Amino acid sequence: ELKVEQNPLFLSMQEGKNYTIYCNYSTTSDRLYWYRQDPGKSLESLFVLLSNGAVKQEGRLMASLDTKARLSTLHITAAVHDLSATYFCAVDRDNYGQNFVFGPGTRLSVLP
Amino acid sequence: GAGVSQSPSNKVTEKGKDVELRCDPISGHTALYWYRQSLGQGLEFLIYFQGNSAPDKSGLPSDRFSAERTGGSVSTLTIQRTQQEDSAVYLCASSLAPPPQETQYFGPGTRLLVL
Repeated sequence: ELKVEQNPLFLSMQEGKNYTIYCNYSTTSDRLYWYRQDPGKSLESLFVLLSNGAVKQEGRLMASLDTKARLSTLHITAAVHDLSATYFCAVDRDNYGQNFVFGPGTRLSVLP
Repeated sequence: GAGVSQSPSNKVTEKGKDVELRCDPISGHTALYWYRQSLGQGLEFLIYFQGNSAPDKSGLPSDRFSAERTGGSVSTLTIQRTQQEDSAVYLCASSLAPPPQETQYFGPGTRLLVL
């Protein structure tokens, strides 16, 4: 059974600090997705990582993928309050873009 | 432009009743997904449509759940004989083509409460 884990599940940090969210998965899939969900809202696609060593960056967020370690990271640089949200990673079960297995989410709270 | 829309936004029903949830994808999007988000189970994939066909319905939790898509556009998720454990937010997403070629866009969800 494919499992996707995230660490930590809850993260409270101060503005201006850096931190990393980790996503581990149990299959050999090389397609990893990151999503953001604001409280009470729906999901927004953030990044798609397609190969070992892939790195994507947008603003203060940078995602990377190590398929050998089955690990993806989402790094937050100099956090601001607007980044407060829940972040989900997901693995494409069959690499067909049809069936996704999500992690439990990391709830990030950035405090002023 | 218009995004993915879902209706109703909220639905309260009694245990044992049938419910229909509707998803209007972005015009031209051939790929359509249904997901369920609940406190106990997190985010779960339910079913994927490519056009009107559903090549992957492996996530449907029981035979009480069914979905169809007509005209390559609107999709309906039907839950028969609802149970309390069906209470969740049901999310729909669409994309021009399956990821990673194209980005998924999510609707606002339908919050279902089964009493």
